[in-house]
Amino acid sequence: RKEVEQDPGPFNVPEGATVAFNCTYSNSASQSFFWYRQDCRKEPKLLMSVYSSGNEDGRFTAQLNRASQYISLLIRDSKLSDSATYLCVVNQGGSNYKLTFGKGTLLTVNP
Amino acid sequence: GAGVSQSPSNKVTEKGKDVELRCDPISGHTALYWYRQSLGQGLEFLIYFQGNSAPDKSGLPSDRFSAERTGGSVSTLTIQRTQQEDSAVYLCASSLAASGYTFGSGTRLTVV
Repeated sequence: RKEVEQDPGPFNVPEGATVAFNCTYSNSASQSFFWYRQDCRKEPKLLMSVYSSGNEDGRFTAQLNRASQYISLLIRDSKLSDSATYLCVVNQGGSNYKLTFGKGTLLTVNP
Repeated sequence: GAGVSQSPSNKVTEKGKDVELRCDPISGHTALYWYRQSLGQGLEFLIYFQGNSAPDKSGLPSDRFSAERTGGSVSTLTIQRTQQEDSAVYLCASSLAASGYTFGSGTRLTVV
């Protein structure tokens, strides 16, 4: 099983659609979880952390299921500017701050 | 500075030459990381510095790659005898504790 696994997509959705991305991770000791966004030919940027109770930031909702080792990101009312690659990111656990990145899911929002 | 600074932003080198890539992390960030990303690929971990601990070099692809971090701040990634397969974007990031990383804008290395 890969350390962090995501559906590579591409996801093509119309403006205003709701889209969900899923991710699974293999290290049960992982304690920190994130979603990053990467625009074409740019560096990844932190979108949001993922908390055990689930968390929301505007149109974005992240959820974590530790038992299933599964993370999700929901984007509501998609905008053209949401077009990017979304990276699922997991830490190694314990005192190790190293993060492992999924290969990303490509989203294109169409007018 | 306010962000992670990397230099140069672009580097074209001839096969067999050595290159040095520089990273200036966010002031006060104790952890510094190097990753690389080949075209259309995911991020590949290279090396990780955490405070005064020995660096985690487990991701370095060969002994042609080395990195150091001086004074707990600036880091240099050195690639000796570059090969065409070394062509990639080399990304540096820093973090404070277990928070998310902040990445620099990367160095795009092209080996011709």
